[in-house]
Amino acid sequence: AQSVTQLGSHVSVSEGALVLLRCNYSSSVPPYLFWYVQYPNQGLQLLLKYTSAATLVKGINGFEAEFKKSETSFHLTKPSAHMSDAAEYFCAVSGTGRRALTFGSGTRLQVQP
Amino acid sequence: EAGVTQSPTHLIKTRGQQATLRCSPISGHTSVYWYQQALGLGLQFLLWYDEGEERNRGNFPPRFSGRQFPNYSSELNVNALELEDSALYLCASSLGTGGTGANVLTFGAGSRLTVL
Repeated sequence: AQSVTQLGSHVSVSEGALVLLRCNYSSSVPPYLFWYVQYPNQGLQLLLKYTSAATLVKGINGFEAEFKKSETSFHLTKPSAHMSDAAEYFCAVSGTGRRALTFGSGTRLQVQP
Repeated sequence: EAGVTQSPTHLIKTRGQQATLRCSPISGHTSVYWYQQALGLGLQFLLWYDEGEERNRGNFPPRFSGRQFPNYSSELNVNALELEDSALYLCASSLGTGGTGANVLTFGAGSRLTVL
């Protein structure tokens, strides 16, 4: 069975500050890991995915995440927050094949002016 | 390329009624997934359809059901609606990779169901 835990249901940062959203996974097989973003009243949009090709993954909108097997983590970072980054962020895990993703509980990011 | 489309955008029902939600996947995608996003409960996996068959279901009662049509579109039916069924229902589709590789899901904007 696979699962992800997102630490912190709400994170608030100032505009221009570092964004760090935490995700830890549990998986009995080498995992595929994802970060999705959900803006108000919208569906989920893929930010980035880890597929074992490289441990540092770059995504859209300046976000990146690093896969650390020793820490079973896949934290999402962005060097400088922008007001438009305010949204809910979900970490997800899956194994191989077409199985559904298992999502974390989400982290709501607030960006203060 | 058209994305995943869902209808209706909003649906209001009363307790005991039935709701039907529809989803059209991205062209070429054969797998369709349904998730429930209730307030404060995150995304809960409901159902997965592939090539017209139900492949897996989450921990939901049988009154949640659905099907996938030959054109790969899908509908989700919720019978005997209860107040706690009020949620955003998200549909996603994927191409799949023949059993290997990452399964990237593309989501629709969702259908918001309100049960009064």
